[in-house]
Amino acid sequence: RKEVEQDPGPFNVPEGATVAFNCTYSNSASQSFFWYRQDCRKEPKLLMSVYSSGNEDGRFTAQLNRASQYISLLIRDSKLSDSATYLCVVNMPDNQFYFGTGTSLTVIP
Amino acid sequence: DVKVTQSSRYLVKRTGEKVFLECVQDMDHENMFWYRQDPGLGLRLIYFSYDVKMKEKGDIPEGYSVSREKKERFSLILESASTNQTSMYLCASSLWLSGANVLTFGAGSRLTVL
Repeated sequence: RKEVEQDPGPFNVPEGATVAFNCTYSNSASQSFFWYRQDCRKEPKLLMSVYSSGNEDGRFTAQLNRASQYISLLIRDSKLSDSATYLCVVNMPDNQFYFGTGTSLTVIP
Repeated sequence: DVKVTQSSRYLVKRTGEKVFLECVQDMDHENMFWYRQDPGLGLRLIYFSYDVKMKEKGDIPEGYSVSREKKERFSLILESASTNQTSMYLCASSLWLSGANVLTFGAGSRLTVL
């Protein structure tokens, strides 16, 4: 069983739509959670950390549910520039990072 | 901002050649990592290092070695490149920030082995 699982998509949504991605993790000892964005043929870049109380950054909202062991990312009012692959990343107490395979998003004009 | 620099963005090598991939970070981070990323397989950890001269095997170390002689530099070595090592190689370093261990990646080195 993979440590981190994501729906690979693809998600194709019209501009202005709201889209949500989920990610589940298997190890209850996981301690830090992140969403990274990766553009085609580029490196992953930190989009936002995910905190226990949930957090928001503009159109992006991230939530953590420790009881059910999943994290989510909500994108409101999608822009064309949001088209990318979104990676769920989990950090363990041993300093190791575990990655989902990514969810592909295409925002259509 | 943390900067992680990978020396080569694109390389083409022949089977059997020795390949060096260099990675330098400028923020005095202790933790450094080498991953490879392949379509459908995601990121897989090759080696990591928590300190100078220290190295630990990741999930797929076969065919690779690493060197960390200085804190800022973590090199990945392919002793004898093979076609199945054609991939995108990503170096990263991590830092504790606001209670979370945050990973920063270099721009990647896309290696093709013919």
